[in-house]
Amino acid sequence: AQSVTQLGSHVSVSEGALVLLRCNYSSSVPPYLFWYVQYPNQGLQLLLKYTSAATLVKGINGFEAEFKKSETSFHLTKPSAHMSDAAEYFCAVSKGNTGFQKLVFGTGTRLLVSP
Amino acid sequence: NAGVTQTPKFRVLKTGQSMTLLCAQDMNHEYMYWYRQDPGMGLRLIHYSVGEGTTAKGEVPDGYNVSRLKKQNFLLGLESAAPSQTSVYFCASSYYRDRVNTEAFFGQGTRLTVV
Repeated sequence: AQSVTQLGSHVSVSEGALVLLRCNYSSSVPPYLFWYVQYPNQGLQLLLKYTSAATLVKGINGFEAEFKKSETSFHLTKPSAHMSDAAEYFCAVSKGNTGFQKLVFGTGTRLLVSP
Repeated sequence: NAGVTQTPKFRVLKTGQSMTLLCAQDMNHEYMYWYRQDPGMGLRLIHYSVGEGTTAKGEVPDGYNVSRLKKQNFLLGLESAAPSQTSVYFCASSYYRDRVNTEAFFGQGTRLTVV
């Protein structure tokens, strides 16, 4: 079975600082991995996805994530935080041969950005 | 493009009442899903469908029923609402062509309160 662990329910950074949101996964088969962002009272928006091509994945809004099989990690980073990045971020995993079927989500990390 | 549309956006029910949440997608996607989002628990899959006329249970199906009579619609029913079903419900649809060409799209959510 697939599972995802997101370390830290809240992460606070200053504007301009590095953003690092952690995600570790467990999967019995090669996984698909995703990061979604949710702004207040909004649905989920896909930031980026890993589907076994390049291990360093670039997404929207300057975010990127690196798939590290040896560490079973898929941490999300952004070099310089912007106030508009304040939102909740979810890591998700699915079986590698089924795309988005039966996504399993982490519990989410709320990113707070201070001036 | 409307994408994934959920109706209604807000609803308050009394314990024991029934209701149906409607999800409509205009992207001709095969797969559709219903998730619930609760604080500190991420999104959990309730039911899903891999095609018109088919449904399957997800992680937390108890107390819910679903139907997919038309490819573009996925209905979530609560026969006898309970306070434990107070949550934000998200519908999603997805396509899968190959390992790279796959994506899911989420609706804006339905906030349901059972009193």
